[in-house]
Amino acid sequence: AQSVTQLDSQVPVFEEAPVELRCNYSSSVSVYLFWYVQYPNQGLQLLLKYLSGSTLVKGINGFEAEFNKSQTSFHLRKPSVHISDTAEYFCAVSMIKAAGNKLTFGGGTRVLVKP
Amino acid sequence: DAGVIQSPRHEVTEMGQEVTLRCKPISGHDYLFWYRQTMMRGLELLIYFNNNVPIDDSGMPEDRFSAKMPNASFSTLKIQPSEPRDSAVYFCASSPDRARSGANVLTFGAGSRLTVL
Repeated sequence: AQSVTQLDSQVPVFEEAPVELRCNYSSSVSVYLFWYVQYPNQGLQLLLKYLSGSTLVKGINGFEAEFNKSQTSFHLRKPSVHISDTAEYFCAVSMIKAAGNKLTFGGGTRVLVKP
Repeated sequence: DAGVIQSPRHEVTEMGQEVTLRCKPISGHDYLFWYRQTMMRGLELLIYFNNNVPIDDSGMPEDRFSAKMPNASFSTLKIQPSEPRDSAVYFCASSPDRARSGANVLTFGAGSRLTVL
């Protein structure tokens, strides 16, 4: 079985400042990794995914994440946030060789961007 | 495509009543998932289907919960009888088969917010 830990439940940040959201996972097998964003009163949207290849993955809205296999981490970053980035962010994993498309999500990190 | 469509968006009901949540997945997607989101427990997978067949229902909390997928374009999640602790946002998501898409990217609906009084 796999699990995902998002170390920060809330991250306040000023507009135009950088932000990093931490995600660590535990799995005995190789995994795919994802970041989803949930804006208030909406469903989850895919920000980016890591399947293979380059460990630095770029997503939508200026976000990027880096896969670190030795540290089993997949931290999300943005160099300069906007007010519109206020949302909850979820890290998720799925086993590469498992049948089915099941995702396991972390507990989420709420980002509050202040003017 | 209109995306994953869920109804109702909001439901307020009284304890003991039956609740039915509906989902229309993206056309051509092979997988359908039901998740529940609460402050205390985060996002929990309740059940998922592959080609209309339930594959894993180990997340269904108890016998009061049931889910069906009678065809490729429709699924329901039913709670009978409902209890206040069932209050949550219920999300439906769908995805294509990994063999076709390369990875299991889920597309979520906007959710159904359930309040049981």
